Amino acid sequence: EVQLVESGGGLVQPGRSLRLSCAASGFIFNDYAMHWVRQTPGKGLEWVSGISWDSDNIVYADSVKGRFTISRDNAKNSLYLQMNSLRAEDTALYYCAKVWTFKTVFDIWGQGTMVTVSS
Amino acid sequence: DIQMTQSPSSLSASVGDRVTITCQASQDINNYLNWYQQKPGKAPNLLISDASNLETGVPSRFSGSGSGTYFTFTITSLQPEDVATYYCQQYDNLSVTFGGGTKVKIK
Repeated sequence: EVQLVESGGGLVQPGRSLRLSCAASGFIFNDYAMHWVRQTPGKGLEWVSGISWDSDNIVYADSVKGRFTISRDNAKNSLYLQMNSLRAEDTALYYCAKVWTFKTVFDIWGQGTMVTVSS
Repeated sequence: DIQMTQSPSSLSASVGDRVTITCQASQDINNYLNWYQQKPGKAPNLLISDASNLETGVPSRFSGSGSGTYFTFTITSLQPEDVATYYCQQYDNLSVTFGGGTKVKIK
């Protein structure tokens, strides 16, 4: 079964850091680019960041550029999101998502991990 | 960055009604436009890719059309199980943007 399982969310104070993880199974992880997408409670979807299969190409939304770092470990079938200098507006449910080869079509999503930034 | 304007933000229709959602891009995105359905408490689910390609297993009452900057998503006969929020999503080169979503309810 193709599956993505996120972890690492929680309550964190503004200005602090958090690292999210996404464990992939059921597909050849190192064949595909991976992304993080977040959703503010009761609101819409916001793309956060993406990384190519070989980590050579990395992109970020302007809202997180310079604060968040995406990475992957293909040997561990895992995707990561290092979030620094967290702000209240980063509070959201964070999904990891797999995309097709050559096209940013999100075909597999995890269940999400909740990040709450509050003092 | 490419902006996606999705409308309406919500709609209420009767079972069997035809429902149409539109998505307008701030610049030409060719046909790089996908549609997702999200039910409460669940992750989004891909319905249509590249503007009009229905994913395997998705009921044929769902369809999409358009290219360039204007796209439409249609449910030809609304069913109770279609209650959800629908999102468009563009991808152009390295840019990804979602529309604001359309919440579909049964009247």
